[in-house]
Amino acid sequence: AQSVAQPEDQVNVAEGNPLTVKCTYSVSGNPYLFWYVQYPNRGLQFLLKYITGDNLVKGSYGFEAEFNKSQTSFHLKKPSALVSDSALYFCAAYNFNKFYFGSGTKLNVKP
Amino acid sequence: DSGVTQTPKHLITATGQRVTLRCSPRSGDLSVYWYQQSLDQGLQFLIQYYNGEERAKGNILERFSAQQFPDLHSELNLSSLELGDSALYFCASSSTDSRMETQYFGPGTRLLVL
Repeated sequence: AQSVAQPEDQVNVAEGNPLTVKCTYSVSGNPYLFWYVQYPNRGLQFLLKYITGDNLVKGSYGFEAEFNKSQTSFHLKKPSALVSDSALYFCAAYNFNKFYFGSGTKLNVKP
Repeated sequence: DSGVTQTPKHLITATGQRVTLRCSPRSGDLSVYWYQQSLDQGLQFLIQYYNGEERAKGNILERFSAQQFPDLHSELNLSSLELGDSALYFCASSSTDSRMETQYFGPGTRLLVL
């Protein structure tokens, strides 16, 4: 079965420290990969996407993601976390007319 | 503000009832996507329309249907509602039917089935 996994339900990091939110996928072919963020009581916002090309993708709000084909991973990263980055993050893969979402990772950035 | 609007924001109804959720895409966007976010199922893609035509189908139940009208707004119809249909329903829009395009999400409609 096709799926996207976010192995951590929650990630805690101190403000100013680097953060990583993990994502691995099991989707056939060469899926497009996405990261979205959801703030409390709000809809999803697009952060970044990987279609092809450079394995390091830069997105909104200083986030970037590293694509690793051999590990089928697409980890979200940020060099220096902000308290305002605290939110729910979703990884998604698209292929063959279907989207697959991870279960979400809650990021807590403490001052 | 993404430019995508959804109405109503909240909806409370009873089992067995039918409801209609409405989505207006960003100005100029031709594609509309519907998603369901629930505690047990997580975020799921339901269906996509492009310029009035169905383009892709995800995990949409037979009790659910959608359409996109000539003015490009879309409606998601949920019938014979069950407790498990309680969820947050999002729509998103993009300018083309390519999944490479960035999708812009609305704030969602929170449905509670009692």
